[in-house]
Amino acid sequence: QVQLQESGPGLVKPSETLSLTCTVAGGSISHYYWNWIRQPPGKGLEWIGYIHYSGKINYNPSLRSRVTISVDTSKNQFSLKLSSVTAADTAVYYCARQKDAGNENWFDPWGQGTLVTVSS
Amino acid sequence: SYVLTQPPSVSVAPGQTARITCGGNNIGSKSVHWYQQKPGQAPVLVVYDDSDRPSGIPDRFSGSNSGNTATLTISRVEAGDEADFYCQVWDSLSDHYVFGTGTKVTVL
Repeated sequence: QVQLQESGPGLVKPSETLSLTCTVAGGSISHYYWNWIRQPPGKGLEWIGYIHYSGKINYNPSLRSRVTISVDTSKNQFSLKLSSVTAADTAVYYCARQKDAGNENWFDPWGQGTLVTVSS
Repeated sequence: SYVLTQPPSVSVAPGQTARITCGGNNIGSKSVHWYQQKPGQAPVLVVYDDSDRPSGIPDRFSGSNSGNTATLTISRVEAGDEADFYCQVWDSLSDHYVFGTGTKVTVL
């Protein structure tokens, strides 16, 4: 059974770059779509973007100018970089798998999430 | 962009039925997925493609979708069902994914 685990700094300074990694265990990173989703404290879920193992990417238009998602198939990992962060980027960041970007586009499973706080 | 609207809260007594709606323009033409999120935990998929259940999800959870409203129904509600619930669709026009505003289910 595949499991996902986020890792990275829990505190980032304003204007700097947030960097997180999701490690996929119990299955190959190939043949699926790998997503980042975030949730500000006390608020709802926001899709950030996905990457396919082939390198195909898709970002939320509201974040596109600041987001980079990459994949390292040799390590079974994918990563998120979000630049020029502000307090509004404080959130729990989740990684999640999709079977397909179109028809089978539900997210399952999810990582446990990691809280990233933007503060000086 | 496509908007999904959910009621902020639903309250239900144990053993009764909870219905959570997800409103969107012609949502009946889309596939809707539902997630349950308990406090401090990651969301868990409970219904996909409007009405299918992943392995391990009780048959007390069911879904429907027609017109401008999708509905998640929880039958024979238990105290352990208390959580936030989110609907989700793929907006094919913009090619990105949208979550509903979320509904907090309280078991009285």
